[in-house]
Formats: sequence, structure tokens, C-alpha cells
Amino acid sequence: GQNIDQPTEMTATEGAIVQINCTYQTSGFNGLFWYQQHAGEAPTFLSYNVLDGLEEKGRFSSFLSRSKGYSYLLLKELQMKDSASYLCAVVDSNYQLIWGAGTKLIIKP
Amino acid sequence: DGGITQSPKYLFRKEGQNVTLSCEQNLNHDAMYWYRQDPGQGLRLIYYSQIVNDFQKGDIAEGYSVSREKKESFPLTVTSAQKNPTAFYLCASTPPGTSYYEQFFGPGTRLTVL
Repeated sequence: GQNIDQPTEMTATEGAIVQINCTYQTSGFNGLFWYQQHAGEAPTFLSYNVLDGLEEKGRFSSFLSRSKGYSYLLLKELQMKDSASYLCAVVDSNYQLIWGAGTKLIIKP
Repeated sequence: DGGITQSPKYLFRKEGQNVTLSCEQNLNHDAMYWYRQDPGQGLRLIYYSQIVNDFQKGDIAEGYSVSREKKESFPLTVTSAQKNPTAFYLCASTPPGTSYYEQFFGPGTRLTVL
């Protein structure tokens, strides 16, 4: 079966750094997405990785290791508005998106 | 402004009634998708359509139906056969000709069946 694992919930302090991990086992791999979703709202695109390595975009970075089936999203200089769920999704061999359950990130002052 | 609209944002229905959720996009996207999201779970694919007049079942299509008569519109009907329809429903679309499959989402419809 296809499986994506993320921690259910994480807590971090405003101004700090947090790393959200995602491990996957899928039938094929054609890329990995990270989305941000605020409560009651639609997911919004954060990043896409298809090659190994780190992609940096402002305060957010995403890393991929295809051999390990592993990715992480790194958030720096945390702000209260970063409180949201972060969804990891993998594009499988049929070009379908397989979604993780999401990680709820709580930012404390 | 270009985007995806879903209406209504909140919908209440009595058990046993069919209900249709609207999804419209003016982004000229070819592919459109319907997802269901339950608390603590990832998005689950209900139906998707890559071109007009064609659509495919996703992982949880039972109790749902769709149509794709126009490129811009992809309505979802939740039928009385769906055993547990209360959920957050998200519509998404994908641009044509992209090398990867970033999905753009509408604001969602929260359906509550009483």
C-alpha cells in the first residue's frame, strides 16, 4: 500500500526554527509537495521537490532524499501566522497525489 | 481575478437528501479534482476530470457523482447513498502543460448532514 507519515502535531516558539518531517512509501515517485493549510481554509502551495537536495524560498526550505523516502520542511523565524497544518503529498507513478494527514503546527509567543 | 470558487461555504442538509456542491474556475485549467477532508486525515480523492465530458473515480467515489459539461465547471453531487457525508469538500484544478502537478484549491465547502 501507499503510505505517507507525518507527525500529528508540533509546537514551537515565535522566532525559532522548526523542522517538519515526512516519510513516504509509494508506488513510484514523481515529486513531493508541501502545502500550508490554515484552519477551515484551502491548502496553499509552498514547495515542490523532485530532485534530491534543499530548495530554499524565503523563510521556508524543503529537503528531499529519494533514496530514504524522506523529506522535511524547515520554517525559520517563526511568526504567529505560521500556525497552520502542513501537508506533505507525493506524486506517484500514475501521477496521482497521495496526501499525508498533515502536521498541525502550534506557535507560542 | 482568476481563481476557483466553491459555493456555498457552509451547507446543511437533512439525511437522505441529495446535495450538489458547486466548483467553478476561470483559470483555463484542464484538470479538476474533488477531495474530501475529515479531521486528522489527509485529502482523499473522490473524482477527477482531465478533459470535458470525461471523469474518473478516485479512491472514495461511492455515494458521489460528478459531471464535466464545461471546462470551467465540475459540480459534485453527494447522494443519499453516501453513508457519512459530513466533511470538508475541496475542489482543485491543475494548469495545462506543466511539468509537475501543482494543484490550485478553491475555498472549500463544509457540508453538515443533520
